[in-house]
Amino acid sequence: GQSLEQPSEVTAVEGAIVQINCTYQTSGFYGLSWYQQHDGGAPTFLSYNALDGLEETGRFSSFLSRSDSYGYLLLQELQMKDSASYFCALNRGSSASKIIFGSGTRLSIRP
Amino acid sequence: DVKVTQSSRYLVKRTGEKVFLECVQDMDHENMFWYRQDPGLGLRLIYFSYDVKMKEKGDIPEGYSVSREKKERFSLILESASTNQTSMYLCASGGLAGGEEQYFGPGTRLTVT
Repeated sequence: GQSLEQPSEVTAVEGAIVQINCTYQTSGFYGLSWYQQHDGGAPTFLSYNALDGLEETGRFSSFLSRSDSYGYLLLQELQMKDSASYFCALNRGSSASKIIFGSGTRLSIRP
Repeated sequence: DVKVTQSSRYLVKRTGEKVFLECVQDMDHENMFWYRQDPGLGLRLIYFSYDVKMKEKGDIPEGYSVSREKKERFSLILESASTNQTSMYLCASGGLAGGEEQYFGPGTRLTVT
């Protein structure tokens, strides 16, 4: 079937860099998105990759490789406030009803 | 300031009750969504609406229906609530076909006893 795989938990140190991977098993999709969700909060949009390569937005970058069927979210200069869950989401078709989300990666930041 | 609001943050209902979850957006978006979020399963799309009175089933529509009578309002209906529908329900708007940003509401935590 079509699914997205993410690590369930990642721990990193404040000030460091962390990469959260997202692998998928589908073809012919439109793009890969990333969302952040703090405990008790709503998911908020971080980035979208329609094309292969790196998209940079401040401390956060997102990468997509269609040939390798994976993408990642890179967080630099980690801050305690970055502790949250991160979801990748894949748009499988022209209708928004084709969007699927990964199960999320819980990022914990240590001082 | 972009806003998606949901009628309740917490809701407790009994098995068999009819439940209405309301969502309102103030961004004039055509697309609106209802998801449920469960631990280890991420967000799963229940229903999607791309225009007033128009809807499409998502991945898990069974046991749910929706209503979109006005552009800004999208309602999720549980005709006869069951315990396996205990979950966090998230409404979103935006997110056009190209994967553009979706704006999420704060969520409604529904418990069915």
